[in-house]
Amino acid sequence: GQQLNQSPQSMFIQEGEDVSMNCTSSSIFNTWLWYKQEPGEGPVLLIALYKAGELTSNGRLTAQFGITRKDSFLNISASIPSDVGIYFCAGQTPSGGSQGNLIFGKGTKLSVKP
Amino acid sequence: DSGVTQTPKHLITATGQRVTLRCSPRSGDLSVYWYQQSLDQGLQFLIQYYNGEERAKGNILERFSAQQFPDLHSELNLSSLELGDSALYFCASSHDRRSSYNEQFFGPGTRLTVL
Repeated sequence: GQQLNQSPQSMFIQEGEDVSMNCTSSSIFNTWLWYKQEPGEGPVLLIALYKAGELTSNGRLTAQFGITRKDSFLNISASIPSDVGIYFCAGQTPSGGSQGNLIFGKGTKLSVKP
Repeated sequence: DSGVTQTPKHLITATGQRVTLRCSPRSGDLSVYWYQQSLDQGLQFLIQYYNGEERAKGNILERFSAQQFPDLHSELNLSSLELGDSALYFCASSHDRRSSYNEQFFGPGTRLTVL
């Protein structure tokens, strides 16, 4: 089946540092979504991307939909302790029987040291 | 708060038993999705319902079934439970009135423990 390769698996950074994570796929996607999940909670939608090349910001977060439609990245600037959590990318393919469902990456676990 | 509600929050049961998890989507959302999250498998899509009809199936076991009712709430039924079914089960909903917009909003999840 389709897979998303998300990297890195985990990151340990100092407060104030910038963070970058990405997802790649062998398939073309028409939607990329980035979620954050904190312990014991459901994933929370951070950014949604719908067009190749699209660059979207949400506060200190910036995400881009790759030109090839096979990748996306998420940047977090000036990290703070509350950025801790697991960040998931998710993609939706243009067509197929599984309409609407998303394919998730395995997540990037972010730890921030004050 | 995403607007998606799930009950119960925690469920502890024994092997061989059957449980029902419940989800209410955000107001106005027609699609409901069920996901299983275990430590080593990440988020796995199980099944999608759209306006009462099954729309897509993922890695859902035959022991599991779901339905969406006329008021759009959904239930996930898990039967003949095994130890390996212990996981977090999430429900998500989306508007889905325009096929190109598929932002899914997740509920807080149900933590199932099978002893």
